[in-house]
Amino acid sequence: KNEVEQSPQNLTAQEGEFITINCSYSVGISALHWLQQHPGGGIVSLFMLSSGKKKHGRLIATINIQEKHSSLHITASHPRDSAVYICAVRSKGSQGNLIFGKGTKLSVKP
Amino acid sequence: DAGVIQSPRHEVTEMGQEVTLRCKPISGHNSLFWYRQTMMRGLELLIYFNNNVPIDDSGMPEDRFSAKMPNASFSTLKIQPSEPRDSAVYFCASSFSGNQPQHFGDGTRLSIL
Repeated sequence: KNEVEQSPQNLTAQEGEFITINCSYSVGISALHWLQQHPGGGIVSLFMLSSGKKKHGRLIATINIQEKHSSLHITASHPRDSAVYICAVRSKGSQGNLIFGKGTKLSVKP
Repeated sequence: DAGVIQSPRHEVTEMGQEVTLRCKPISGHNSLFWYRQTMMRGLELLIYFNNNVPIDDSGMPEDRFSAKMPNASFSTLKIQPSEPRDSAVYFCASSFSGNQPQHFGDGTRLSIL
């Protein structure tokens, strides 16, 4: 079993829909990251969080430490949100290295 | 501001050749990470440095892979000899410290024929 599991693997949505991507992990962590990888391949860090909720524009990330679960929400989705979204955790005691989920490929249709 | 700079962007070479990938981290960042991304395995950490010192190289596949960071502004990842299974996208990332967000370079797409 992978230490970081994401669901769904693939997601197709219509423009304007509310989107949720889930991430579950099995190790104790000090932080969780959400990354976005565009079709061109570049990777951008969206959020780093260790508790509660963070919001940036139409993106919201939440984490429940007790349940070892995080969600990434996109409100009013747009075709430019089409990308692979990757969850990664930094395990407790590590000095920075991340353990990655396999990613969720999101396609938003106009 | 310049981000993490990787070179080359693309590399195609024949198996058995030596391959050197280069990375310039963001100025002031003291943590540097090398990752490999494949379709089968996704993103995997190869090695990371803190203050130019390798901290964890347990992700380096085998002795054919080596990484150096001679100073705070430059790192290399070398594969010698290269094999077709090394074909992947190699990313370099840096952060202000190990527990801060990581900034990724654009990656090097490596194809070993």
